Parts: sequence; structure tokens; C-alpha cells
Amino acid sequence: SAVISQKPSRDICQRGTSLTIQCQVDSQVTMMFWYRQQPGQSLTLIATANQGSEATYESGFVIDKFPISRPNLTFSTLTVSNMSPEDSSIYLCSVPAGGVETQYFGPGTRLLVL
Amino acid sequence: GNSVTQMEGPVTLSEEAFLTINCTYTATGYPSLFWYVQYPGEGLQLLLKATKADDKGSNKGFEATYRKETTSFHLEKGSVQVSDSAVYFCALSDRAGSNYKLTFGKGTLLTVNP
Repeated sequence: SAVISQKPSRDICQRGTSLTIQCQVDSQVTMMFWYRQQPGQSLTLIATANQGSEATYESGFVIDKFPISRPNLTFSTLTVSNMSPEDSSIYLCSVPAGGVETQYFGPGTRLLVL
Repeated sequence: GNSVTQMEGPVTLSEEAFLTINCTYTATGYPSLFWYVQYPGEGLQLLLKATKADDKGSNKGFEATYRKETTSFHLEKGSVQVSDSAVYFCALSDRAGSNYKLTFGKGTLLTVNP
């Protein structure tokens, strides 16, 4: 299985500020996924990040709010912009492994916006 | 669109009790089905999967059978342990264009008491 790390593991931020979350994988992967897990809720896919092209965003998520970078095949960042308390969530990245249908997840970044 | 419905939690059991967590799905295609587990303070881990009808996924004493006729993928374990306390997510993966997109249920919190 892939080894995935995320930074930071947790943060407390003030409303109106932005936070960039990093995701590092120990092997090259074509796709990386970013999810949000709001308190007591399930995971919701934010976007798919492909190296060398623009990220593909799911309904309800826009690039201005969640810009994504994918500079190479082992790394991606997700920025949560102009944060509000409603952005308080766990943000997870994942990569396909063992066939594209199976995904392995990073440990997550716990964000609290005050 | 695709959706996953899990039984409402929380579920509280005594050690060595039998566990069933119900999961049903709606999908337009022929999805693969997964159970993911999130232990306290940890990231999401793949528990088991099944890729076609009548397949049985199994791992760590847990098992689930892909039932196409009832669109279900119920998770079972014959004898739970305290260490099984976690949140369990049922998910499906279906092809969307060139990607495989995961859709999650809301999760079921399991607490096992000694």
C-alpha cells in the first residue's frame, strides 16, 4: 500500500485567512483526490488532481475557494481560502492503489476555524 | 446519482457479540463496494472490498457479501473485540469518465465494551 503523509496534521485558524495543506506520497501516482469530512458527516470528494492539468472539481466546490496544485506525481496541495467556521473539517487526500478503484487515504488534516 | 445508505449509529456491543452493520446502495452502473474503517485519531483504512456480484470480501474477521439482487453489502463479524471500536464507512466506486469516484455512506460508530 502507498504511504501518504499530510501536513499540517491539525491547525486552528482565524476566519478570513487561508491554509495550505500538503499531501506527499511515497510513489508516483497519476491521480490524487481531496476529500472533506465535516464533523459527524461522511467524506465528500472536493476535487481530483491530475499532474499537468487543472484539477476537476465536484459540484459545490470551486477553484477560487479550494485551489489545488499538483506540481509532480508524488505531491499535491489544497488551499482552503478565506476561511469561515463552516470550513472546520478534516481534509484528506487519497491515491488509487491496487487498481484505480481502491483508494488509500492520508491521515488527514484537522482544521478548526474560529 | 450514486448513493450509499448505512444503518444509523451509534452501535454499542459487548465483547464477543455478533456485529452486523447494514449498507445498501444505489448506482447506475456496476460498482465495486468497500468498507473503510477509521480508528480513533487515525486516518481512513480500507477494511475489505468486493468488485462483483456474489463476491465476499473479508479481512480481520470481518466479511461482507456483494448482493446485487438486494443492492446490499452488509458488514458482519462473529465476535467483536474492544479494538474493533471505530467508525465504519460503506462506500462504492463507480466509473465517472476516466476516473473512479468513491461515494461514502455517513459512517457508523461502533463501540465495543469489555
